[in-house]
Amino acid sequence: AQSVTQLDSHVSVSEGTPVLLRCNYSSSYSPSLFWYVQHPNKGLQLLLKYTSAATLVKGINGFEAEFKKSETSFHLTKPSAHMSDAAEYFCVVSGGSQGNLIFGKGTKLSVKP
Amino acid sequence: NAGVTQTPKFQVLKTGQSMTLQCAQDMNHNSMYWYRQDPGMGLRLIYYSASEGTTDKGEVPNGYNVSRLNKREFSLRLESAAPSQTSVYFCASSERGVYNSPLHFGNGTRLTVT
Repeated sequence: AQSVTQLDSHVSVSEGTPVLLRCNYSSSYSPSLFWYVQHPNKGLQLLLKYTSAATLVKGINGFEAEFKKSETSFHLTKPSAHMSDAAEYFCVVSGGSQGNLIFGKGTKLSVKP
Repeated sequence: NAGVTQTPKFQVLKTGQSMTLQCAQDMNHNSMYWYRQDPGMGLRLIYYSASEGTTDKGEVPNGYNVSRLNKREFSLRLESAAPSQTSVYFCASSERGVYNSPLHFGNGTRLTVT
């Protein structure tokens, strides 16, 4: 069965410092992996996706993630946080059927001025 | 473009009442989805429609029914609301399946069942 674990429920950084949001996955086959972002009172928006091409995936707004099969990880990073990055981030793994994505519980990112 | 539009934005129901959540997309997408979001739980799939005329159960379908009225519209019905259905409900659409094209979400319906 597929599952995803976001290792931190809340991360706080200062503006201009690096962001690291951690995600581990479990999958019985080669998975598709995604990061979505949710700003307050909004729906989710796709940041980036991995579908077995390059292991380093670049997304929108300067975010990127690296697929590491040996560590079953798909951590999200950004070199320099901006105030507008404050949001909740969800790591998502393909669930094995066409309609099914497995969402992590989310990591809330706070950015201090 | 409006994208994915959900109505209503907020709703309060008493236990046992029924209601329908409406969702429409104007992107000509084939697939549509209903999720619920609960604190600390991420999103869980209730039902989805891979294409017009088809619907399938997701992870948490009990207590819900859906209708894919046409390619644009996908409604979610609660026949007899229960407090456990208090949640934020999101409708989403995608051009093709979830692995090949991104989900586009509406802004959610906040439902409280007392």
